[in-house]
Amino acid sequence: SQQGEEDPQALSIQEGENATMNCSYKTSINNLQWYRQNSGRGLVHLILIRSNEREKHSGRLRVTLDTSKKSSSLLITASRAADTASYFCATALPLYNQGGKLIFGQGTELSVKP
Amino acid sequence: EAGVAQSPRYKIIEKRQSVAFWCNPISGHATLYWYQQILGQGPKLLIQFQNNGVVDDSQLPKDRFSAERLKGVDSTLKIQPAKLEDSAVYLCASSLGRRPTQETQYFGPGTRLLVL
Repeated sequence: SQQGEEDPQALSIQEGENATMNCSYKTSINNLQWYRQNSGRGLVHLILIRSNEREKHSGRLRVTLDTSKKSSSLLITASRAADTASYFCATALPLYNQGGKLIFGQGTELSVKP
Repeated sequence: EAGVAQSPRYKIIEKRQSVAFWCNPISGHATLYWYQQILGQGPKLLIQFQNNGVVDDSQLPKDRFSAERLKGVDSTLKIQPAKLEDSAVYLCASSLGRRPTQETQYFGPGTRLLVL
């Protein structure tokens, strides 16, 4: 089973609606990061939330982290067609666990229709 | 600021052939990562360098994959011989390296490899 599992696998919404993606993980983490990947391109870092933080905002993005439930969510408000992409959560393990590597989930494919 | 550069962008080879990918990280970034991303999956770390030393290569198939980062700047990843299951996008990323797992990783555009 995956360290990071994302839900849903695919999401289709209309422009202007909000999009929520969830990420669950299994072991303790140092931090959790969200990345975006446009079709056929590299990943772009969106936001990093540390294990002692509960919520973080960046523009239209809101990330929450619940370490007791080992889960995180990414909310994109007032979505735009340009938000169409795959979104990945990545968990950074503590240094004592596999040297603190970053483990990516399978991703959520978001489609925003104009 | 220039981003992470990778070449080539696309490569098609036949199985059992060899292939090499090149990556030039952002200037001043001490940590360099190579990831493999199979279609429909998230990236998987193959190897992580801190300057020119290997920090983690636990998921690198060492019987066929090799990587080096001479002089602690650019890096090459080689596959020899390639198998069909190596078809994937190979992503290079770099970060400042002060606290590698707690800092932003900057990704290059990737090299899309197809093994026939």
